[in-house]
Amino acid sequence: AQKVTQAQTEISVVEKEDVTLDCVYETRDTTYYLFWYKQPPSGELVFLIRRNSFDEQNEISGRYSWNFQKSTSSFNFTITASQVVDSAVYFCALHTGANSKLTFGKGITLSVRP
Amino acid sequence: DAGVIQSPRHEVTEMGQEVTLRCKPISGHNSLFWYRQTMMRGLELLIYFNNNVPIDDSGMPEDRFSAKMPNASFSTLKIQPSEPRDSAVYFCASTPRGTHTQETQYFGPGTRLLVL
Repeated sequence: AQKVTQAQTEISVVEKEDVTLDCVYETRDTTYYLFWYKQPPSGELVFLIRRNSFDEQNEISGRYSWNFQKSTSSFNFTITASQVVDSAVYFCALHTGANSKLTFGKGITLSVRP
Repeated sequence: DAGVIQSPRHEVTEMGQEVTLRCKPISGHNSLFWYRQTMMRGLELLIYFNNNVPIDDSGMPEDRFSAKMPNASFSTLKIQPSEPRDSAVYFCASTPRGTHTQETQYFGPGTRLLVL
């Protein structure tokens, strides 16, 4: 069975601080995909990144970076120099080759204070 | 390109009434998913379609819920009769057809349903 654990439920930081959101996953499949989605206060779910199980290269996109480590089954997300607009709920999700389902974590509520 | 379109964006109804939620997937996408989001249970997959055919409806909570996809550009999720515990945000998502990113689900803005 697939499982995604986001142990942190709420994080509060002051603007310009760096913050890391943790994600640990479980699957027996060798082929799988990991995702991060952002849900701002307006409620929509915004796709941020997709990573496949064969590509462990870290990725950087502006202030966002992702650290994928198969050895620890983790796919952590770091926001550098956080901004108030980063305040949102962030979901990590897992998709395996067995079916088309996305398994979501419970989400992490990030609050960035001015 | 337009994203996934959902209507209505907000719905307030009384217990016992029929509710119909609508979704238009991104053009060219061949899979469509319905999710429900609540504080208690988080994001739950209700049902998904591939090429307009329901593949897995194991997440549909009970017979009061039904979903259809009569064509590639339209799907409905119906609740009849509605109950207060159905109050949630309902999301529709779609995935591209046969591309290397076909696992990526793109979500609509959601329908916020309140059943009184």
